[in-house]
Amino acid sequence: DTGVSQDPRHKITKRGQNVTFRCDPISEHNRLYWYRQTLGQGPEFLTYFQNEAQLEKSRLLSDRFSAERPKGSFSTLEIQRTEQGDSAMYLCASSLGGSYTFGSGTRLTVV
Amino acid sequence: GIQVEQSPPDLILQEGANSTLRCNFSDSVNNLQWFHQNPWGQLINLFYIPSGTKQNGRLSATTVATERYSLLYISSSQTTDSGVYFCAPTQGGSEKLVFGKGTKLTVNP
Repeated sequence: DTGVSQDPRHKITKRGQNVTFRCDPISEHNRLYWYRQTLGQGPEFLTYFQNEAQLEKSRLLSDRFSAERPKGSFSTLEIQRTEQGDSAMYLCASSLGGSYTFGSGTRLTVV
Repeated sequence: GIQVEQSPPDLILQEGANSTLRCNFSDSVNNLQWFHQNPWGQLINLFYIPSGTKQNGRLSATTVATERYSLLYISSSQTTDSGVYFCAPTQGGSEKLVFGKGTKLTVNP
């Protein structure tokens, strides 16, 4: 098992474009989380899946953001009509009901 | 929601020194984790510690849930300990980790 994988590592996009990030959790982990981190701050919770069910969403997850976890395996996070304020590190984590394992993140820059 | 305060915000040490990082939280918690974010941004889970004391090599952590604080001890610090240390509790039935702003540790050779 190679841990939590995120793709891409870096993404530069023009304002108004749509972007999609992928997260592959540790295979036996049934819980998957998305967080966002801006410079100098701790990560902020976005959403959480248990298997394929999205059980919790932050108010930070506006209608431009959507996350899916089909079949309870990998997950995708899509941001539509990106804004400069969306520039951040997007972190994925997984767990089996205990301690988290984080991926290396996807750094998004909106220009 | 729960508020998390970490102190000190910045800490500079010489290699070999010991340190204590503190995390105060404003409400009861059902879980608390400590993480180390290295200079490349990777978050590493150090401890899952809702209460009590745990040790892992040069690191140990203590959570006193009734008094709403947790401590992370680093002994004989090394340059590779540099980075930002976060504590993150969860509250009630939520799976959401609430992160503090972190303590930035710099260990000089």
